[in-house]
Amino acid sequence: GAGVSQSPSNKVTEKGKDVELRCDPISGHTALYWYRQSLGQGLEFLIYFQGNSAPDKSGLPSDRFSAERTGGSVSTLTIQRTQQEDSAVYLCASSRTASNQPQHFGDGTRLSIL
Amino acid sequence: QQQVKQSPQSLIVQKGGISIINCAYENTAFDYFPWYQQFPGKGPALLIAIRPDVSEKKEGRFTISFNKSAKQFSLHIMDSQPGDSATYFCAARPGTASKLTFGTGTRLQVTL
Repeated sequence: GAGVSQSPSNKVTEKGKDVELRCDPISGHTALYWYRQSLGQGLEFLIYFQGNSAPDKSGLPSDRFSAERTGGSVSTLTIQRTQQEDSAVYLCASSRTASNQPQHFGDGTRLSIL
Repeated sequence: QQQVKQSPQSLIVQKGGISIINCAYENTAFDYFPWYQQFPGKGPALLIAIRPDVSEKKEGRFTISFNKSAKQFSLHIMDSQPGDSATYFCAARPGTASKLTFGTGTRLQVTL
């Protein structure tokens, strides 16, 4: 596809359940980022992948959050034992390389925890 | 040190007017300052970006002004149009890292 694709676009789940969010970056982009956008807030960095390097996990808020990127392309963000404060829009972005390249965002997954 | 402060939180401008959004930062290692535009239900889209070696960058109706000594930068939207109504985010990134630090956003409404 032409842009970053995220699925699902919306996810509603009960507190305590696990969720998986998917990101398909732009073809050829080696860098991939996950951000979280809470209502009325800016974007909060979660995790960053660059090629085969170890990911930068410094933004993950707790050990309930994890992400992987298989084959240098598709990425999955997993939230275990979801809490109500996890409700937010989860945005994925990709860029050609890590540095000096603009980040292109998908439209996000709106996650609601009941 | 990683914070980027953005103001105002919301802004109402008449069609044809100038919209001005301001950001300030603390970290002197920041060397890339993009602005993103976000419409409801969509992801942010890069609007314009500047590096600290210039004081101003203009692209069409959008201009970034950068004041390195004051550690401030601003977005000016000239001849604002109703289609410009969106949320605008400033961001910053140090040269040694890739993750962006975002401001909290400004909701712009351009009225007829």
